[in-house]
Amino acid sequence: DAGVIQSPRHEVTEMGQEVTLRCKPISGHNSLFWYRQTMMRGLELLIYFNNNVPIDDSGMPEDRFSAKMPNASFSTLKIQPSEPRDSAVYFCASSLSLNQPQHFGDGTRLSIL
Amino acid sequence: QKEVEQNSGPLSVPEGAIASLNCTYSDRVSQSFFWYRQYSGKSPELIMSIYSNGDKEDGRFTAQLNKASQYVSLLIRDSQPSDSATYLCAVMPRNTDKLIFGTGTRLQVFP
Repeated sequence: DAGVIQSPRHEVTEMGQEVTLRCKPISGHNSLFWYRQTMMRGLELLIYFNNNVPIDDSGMPEDRFSAKMPNASFSTLKIQPSEPRDSAVYFCASSLSLNQPQHFGDGTRLSIL
Repeated sequence: QKEVEQNSGPLSVPEGAIASLNCTYSDRVSQSFFWYRQYSGKSPELIMSIYSNGDKEDGRFTAQLNKASQYVSLLIRDSQPSDSATYLCAVMPRNTDKLIFGTGTRLQVFP
């Protein structure tokens, strides 16, 4: 079975540019989570959805960050404009439902120059 | 106090020994507990989940939960060099759907 699929795997861009990260959850999973991981702060939850509806976005650091889930098989995390401090690995995870174990994608390594 | 605390390590054990990884949490009414393994440059991989007090065994892994003392541990028996990774403890408090992760313990198993 296919796991959580994220794209791109790596992204290098200049500050001020718009960045869009993509995620396809495991088929049949109803909950989707976006995380950011850095050496300094570890793994942080940014936002999560249940049945395509955003439930909690309190982890989104600034208004420059936005996330959407237009359907059950696709989600995006957008940063506009990007800044060097946004450099991190961004993970998407999905679970059958809330309170169930989460399964992570391979992540997107983002570098903002 | 951090919500989920782990010793960052590294914890070094010889091959074949038992590795013991510990995690404490602050929310007394937490309900669900998970251990993830993360190899360098890779994504977190779920290895154990535990929901009630006591021990849960899966192959060489045993998760132990003590809600009264607010700690959860992971034992790895017959440690192998391939077990060398960072182990993340994650806790889901009651009445929330969020997983709170610790910063991880780096385990090194040497031949």
